[in-house]
Amino acid sequence: GAVVSQHPSRVICKSGTSVKIECRSLDFQATTMFWYRQFPKQSLMLMATSNEGSKATYEQGVEKDKFLINHASLTLSTLTVTSAHPEDSSFYICSATSRGSQPQHFGDGTRLSIL
Amino acid sequence: GQQLNQSPQSMFIQEGEDVSMNCTSSSIFNTWLWYKQDPGEGPVLLIALYKAGELTSNGRLTAQFGITRKDSFLNISASIPSDVGIYFCAGQLREKAAGNKLTFGGGTRVLVKP
Repeated sequence: GAVVSQHPSRVICKSGTSVKIECRSLDFQATTMFWYRQFPKQSLMLMATSNEGSKATYEQGVEKDKFLINHASLTLSTLTVTSAHPEDSSFYICSATSRGSQPQHFGDGTRLSIL
Repeated sequence: GQQLNQSPQSMFIQEGEDVSMNCTSSSIFNTWLWYKQDPGEGPVLLIALYKAGELTSNGRLTAQFGITRKDSFLNISASIPSDVGIYFCAGQLREKAAGNKLTFGGGTRVLVKP
């Protein structure tokens, strides 16, 4: 149980392109989803918390207009990196939880490479 | 933001050895979680701890929630090659004000002895 699917697993695109990443909870309803960014050989850095039906809460230093998050249903959240540039290249990982008392379960991540 | 102090940063294992890693924090948490991450994948939950003093096992893995609520350790007994990977501890407050966010340690990279 507690399977989280993330798509696509890898994206390579030109600078200036907007990229959408999907995060789905396959066998449970995710009231809260989280988006992380991970640089090579580093830990996970929380970008934003997304609650179904409400606006995402962004961590300090994360541009909300750059990283658009939508959590329209209890099984789907999307992260859109708008007008991506090479410095946005990273490993983006989502997690989901059915309620606050339950552990977060992670997707397999999306490797984003901006040329 | 706040980060947990996880040690060691890396370690080499030989098959059959027991290994141990730990996390400490300057503030308390009411949940401790241990995850393993393989290259190019997301973290996978290994053990969740909800109560101070709790000792929990999952196969060859054993983790404990420190009595002060500021630390936790993970032991792997009789290590095998597939134990290689990066292990992360994470603390959670489970309070509405904290947004149920996780605070991650820096990770322990487990490698095989050449």
